[in-house]
Amino acid sequence: GENVEQHPSTLSVQEGDSAVIKCTYSDSASNYFPWYKQELGKRPQLIIDIRSNVGEKKDQRIAVTLNKTAKHFSLHITETQPEDSAVYFCAASYGSARQLTFGSGTQLTVLP
Amino acid sequence: KAGVTQTPRYLIKTRGQQVTLSCSPISGHRSVSWYQQTPGQGLQFLFEYFSETQRNKGNFPGRFSGRQFSNSRSEMNVSTLELGDSALYLCASSLAGQHGNEQFFGPGTRLTVL
Repeated sequence: GENVEQHPSTLSVQEGDSAVIKCTYSDSASNYFPWYKQELGKRPQLIIDIRSNVGEKKDQRIAVTLNKTAKHFSLHITETQPEDSAVYFCAASYGSARQLTFGSGTQLTVLP
Repeated sequence: KAGVTQTPRYLIKTRGQQVTLSCSPISGHRSVSWYQQTPGQGLQFLFEYFSETQRNKGNFPGRFSGRQFSNSRSEMNVSTLELGDSALYLCASSLAGQHGNEQFFGPGTRLTVL
């Protein structure tokens, strides 16, 4: 089955700096890669996703890049703000399956 | 549109009991997936239901089961509860279809097994 590894497990940045979280996946058939943000005590929220026919996608301060050859994808957050502090999860799935395999999560702390 | 809702939000049970959790998807969403979230194992897929049929199943024992009704609402059941079943149980709904992979999560049910 699919295996998703996520790094780093914790990340602290100064407000205004950029943050990068990286994930690798094992199943070359995976073609859908979402990112979720989960604040303490809240539900995971979909913040951006990318499909395998696209190399990069951007939404304001958030971007995701995908390298299918290397089987890795990354989340980039620019101009970080304290409200970006949360746990971020990457995930992967294939075909029409809605069976997401999640990474272990990254605790992002933005220091004011 | 109203988001995904789950009931109850909190549950306390003892070992050996059974429990039923409920999930109402976003209106128009036909797929419901269930996940277990624990500090040790993270987010793990339990199963997915679409049109009242289980389409995918994760690596969980048969004590974990579910079903979906004609209105897309879904329930999951855990029988013979064990201490290790203590977790946050999340359901997620999706439109399904060609570009319907996006899953939107409910607030979860926090299950504590004593």
